Parts: sequence; C-alpha cells; structure tokens
Amino acid sequence: GENVEQHPSTLSVQEGDSAVIKCTYSDSASNYFPWYKQELGKRPQLIIDIRSNVGEKKDQRIAVTLNKTAKHFSLHITETQPEDSAVYFCAANPNAGGTSYGKLTFGQGTILTVHP
Amino acid sequence: GAVVSQHPSWVICKSGTSVKIECRSLDFQATTMFWYRQFPKQSLMLMATSNEGSKATYEQGVEKDKFLINHASLTLSTLTVTSAHPEDSSFYICSAQRPVLNEKLFFGSGTQLSVL
Repeated sequence: GENVEQHPSTLSVQEGDSAVIKCTYSDSASNYFPWYKQELGKRPQLIIDIRSNVGEKKDQRIAVTLNKTAKHFSLHITETQPEDSAVYFCAANPNAGGTSYGKLTFGQGTILTVHP
Repeated sequence: GAVVSQHPSWVICKSGTSVKIECRSLDFQATTMFWYRQFPKQSLMLMATSNEGSKATYEQGVEKDKFLINHASLTLSTLTVTSAHPEDSSFYICSAQRPVLNEKLFFGSGTQLSVL
C-alpha cells in the first residue's frame, strides 16, 4: 500500500518568513495530493490540493509543487502569520477518481509555529 | 461547499460500554463515507470504508466486530465502538465526498472518545 513520509515534524518560523513542508510517497499510482491544516481538537481543513497532471498550484500565500518522477510534493507558505500556526498534514490517494477516492494515506504531520 | 456533520463532539464512557458515533452528509448523498482515527499528536489513520447498503471494508488491523459500521442511508453512517476500553480512547473522524469526479474530501467535526 501507499506510504507517505512528511518532514519536518516541527517547524518554527518568524512572522513574515516562508515555511516549506515536504512529503514523499511510495505508490506511483497516487494521483491526488491534498494538504490539510488542523487546529487542536478540530477537523482537518483542506487548504490546497494538486493532481498528478499538474506540477504546481498556487492559492494566494499557499503553493504546492509536485514532482512525480521523484515522488515528492511540497507545501510552501509565504509571508507567514501567527494564525498559520497549526498542524499540517499531507496526504496521497492512489485511487482518486475511482471508487476509493476518500482513502487517503496521511503523512505524520508538521507542527508549524509562527512567532510574532 | 459540502458539509459533513458528526455527533457527538465528545463522549466519556465507562470501560465495557458501547458508544455510537454518527456521521451525516448534510447537502449531498454519500454512497461512501470513510472513518479515520487519530491518536494524540499522531496522524489520521483510515479505519474503514463505509458503503451504503453493503458491508463496510475494514483496513488491515482494524477489528470489524469491535468497530461496527452501519451505512443504512445515503446521508448517514454510524460507527459503534463496542465494549470500549481505555486504549480505544481517540479522536474519531468521518469523511465523505460527493460522487462527482475530482470532488474534494470533507471531514466531519470529529468525536473525542474517552474511555475510563
């Protein structure tokens, strides 16, 4: 099955700096890669996603890049703000578009702290 | 956007009792829902896929007789933790996706289960 590795486990930045979180996956059939932000005790919130036919996607301060050859994808947050502090999870799905589109394999998570 | 509702938000029960958690899709019909479990400071792990009108599909290592899943309608899936023990204490979260190509996955609000 799919295996997703996420690094770093913790990331501390100053407000205004950029933050980068990286993930690798093992199943070359994976074709959907979402990123979730989770605050303590809350549900994961989708912040951005990318599909295998796209190499990069951007939404305001957030961007995701995908390298299918190397099987890794990254989350980039620019101009970080204290409210960006949360746990971020990457995920991969080898069956997106099929009947198992919700079967996500998650990375271990990254605790992002943005200091004012 | 799609809304997934989950109840209760938290529950405390005695060891040996059973707890039922409900997951509802509020504005769409979900033929498939997914149940995840998240231990403190850990990632989300898929437990099972809930299929409307048929048996759930459990991930390896998840006891189907302990975690009973019922998906009797297109908008409701329930997870019953039977004979709960302290090691079952966890954050349980459901998810669903509209059966539309490339639709995103949405999560319920989660249920924090504490077994005394």
